[in-house]
Amino acid sequence: GAGVSQSPSNKVTEKGKDVELRCDPISGHTALYWYRQSLGQGLEFLIYFQGNSAPDKSGLPSDRFSAERTGGSVSTLTIQRTQQEDSAVYLCASSVGQTYNEKLFFGSGTQLSVL
Amino acid sequence: AQRVTQPEKLLSVFKGAPVELKCNYSYSGSPELFWYVQYSRQRLQLLLRHISRESIKGFTADLNKGETSFHLKKPFAQEEDSAMYYCALSNTGGFKTIFGAGTRLFVKA
Repeated sequence: GAGVSQSPSNKVTEKGKDVELRCDPISGHTALYWYRQSLGQGLEFLIYFQGNSAPDKSGLPSDRFSAERTGGSVSTLTIQRTQQEDSAVYLCASSVGQTYNEKLFFGSGTQLSVL
Repeated sequence: AQRVTQPEKLLSVFKGAPVELKCNYSYSGSPELFWYVQYSRQRLQLLLRHISRESIKGFTADLNKGETSFHLKKPFAQEEDSAMYYCALSNTGGFKTIFGAGTRLFVKA
C-alpha cells in the first residue's frame, strides 16, 4: 500500500468491553511498532515487532493489553476489559527493519474513547 | 534507562524570530537522535535525524554528547512551522524508538 493503514480511525466503546485495533504496515517493512499518544504524555512506546516476533513488549501497560502479528504483515492490538484511562490515540508505525536508525512511517492512528 | 525529555510543552514565537526546541536525553550507549513533526490533521513524520546531518525546512539540530542534548533550531520561524514536535531516540541495542512528550510550537503573525 501507499502507507501505513490503521483501522478503525475512531472507536467508541463502553468500559469493560474488549477492542481490537488493526495496523497494516508498508509492504516489505519487517519492523512494526505500536505507540499510545495522549495529552501531556507524548508518545508512549507499547510494543515492537520484528517479523512475527515481539522482542520488546516492555511498554504494554498491563496484562489487559496484547498484540500479535501474523504473516509478517498485519498486526492487531487488543485491549481487554477497557478502562477510561485507555482512552487515547493509538499509533502504529513501520520501518524497513534493517538498522536501528531507520525512519519510522506512521499511520493516522485510532482514536479510542472509553465511556 | 533510556529517556527523552522535552521541557517545554508549549513554545510561542513571532514570525521571523529564532526558535529553539529543547531536547535532552539519557542513554548510556551511542544513541541515534531524531526530530519528528505532526502538522495539524497530518500524520506524524520525520523532520530530520542526526545521522543525516541534514537541514530540513531551515531546521537544524546538533548533537551535544557532553550536555546530552539535541536541540532543534531555526533562525527565522514561519507560520507554517506551527506544529507538534517530538524528539526521539533509538539505540544500537535494538530497534526500540522512544519519544519525548512533545513541544507544541505556535508561530504568531
